[in-house]
Amino acid sequence: KNEVEQSPQNLTAQEGEFITINCSYSVGISALHWLQQHPGGGIVSLFMLSSGKKKHGRLIATINIQEKHSSLHITASHPRDSAVYICAVRFKGTYKYIFGTGTRLKVLA
Amino acid sequence: DTGVSQDPRHKITKRGQNVTFRCDPISEHNRLYWYRQTLGQGPEFLTYFQNEAQLEKSRLLSDRFSAERPKGSFSTLEIQRTEQGDSAMYLCASSLEAGTSEYEQYFGPGTRLTVT
Repeated sequence: KNEVEQSPQNLTAQEGEFITINCSYSVGISALHWLQQHPGGGIVSLFMLSSGKKKHGRLIATINIQEKHSSLHITASHPRDSAVYICAVRFKGTYKYIFGTGTRLKVLA
Repeated sequence: DTGVSQDPRHKITKRGQNVTFRCDPISEHNRLYWYRQTLGQGPEFLTYFQNEAQLEKSRLLSDRFSAERPKGSFSTLEIQRTEQGDSAMYLCASSLEAGTSEYEQYFGPGTRLTVT
């Protein structure tokens, strides 16, 4: 069965902390996306990964194909990073994306 | 603004009525997705178009739902005989496919449907 699990579901951090959000999936994938959704706002794509690591500003995304696991890291977190972070996976042999349940992040000043 | 537009942004309808939503993707994007999102949940895949061809549909998409993408440009999603359970945000996203490479998806602002 094609499944995606995210952890933690909720995360509260102090400004400046290093944050890690995890995504695990069940079988081989073609692509994995990390998305950000602000309350009442639209969805923005942060990264698309099929292997390795990507960095954009304070955000870093990694994927370990053998372990079937991806992480999103936020360095020097800021209150404006408060949002829901969602992992979305396209399994091999399908065009369909399966989404994780999301991680609700709150960064306190 | 991601460049993907959706119309209308909000729709209130009575149970049993038909509704149609439109998505205009970024012009050079050949891939188009429809998703549905209910409050507090992640999006659920509904259907996928590559150019004008509908290549995959979710089993969630009952026969009351139909989607088209004529000429591989804009897309429409129609829901017939709406039910209260159809109330959700309907999201459209587009991306570019080049060879076997995959690129990020750009999401529209969504159409919020309320069925009364």
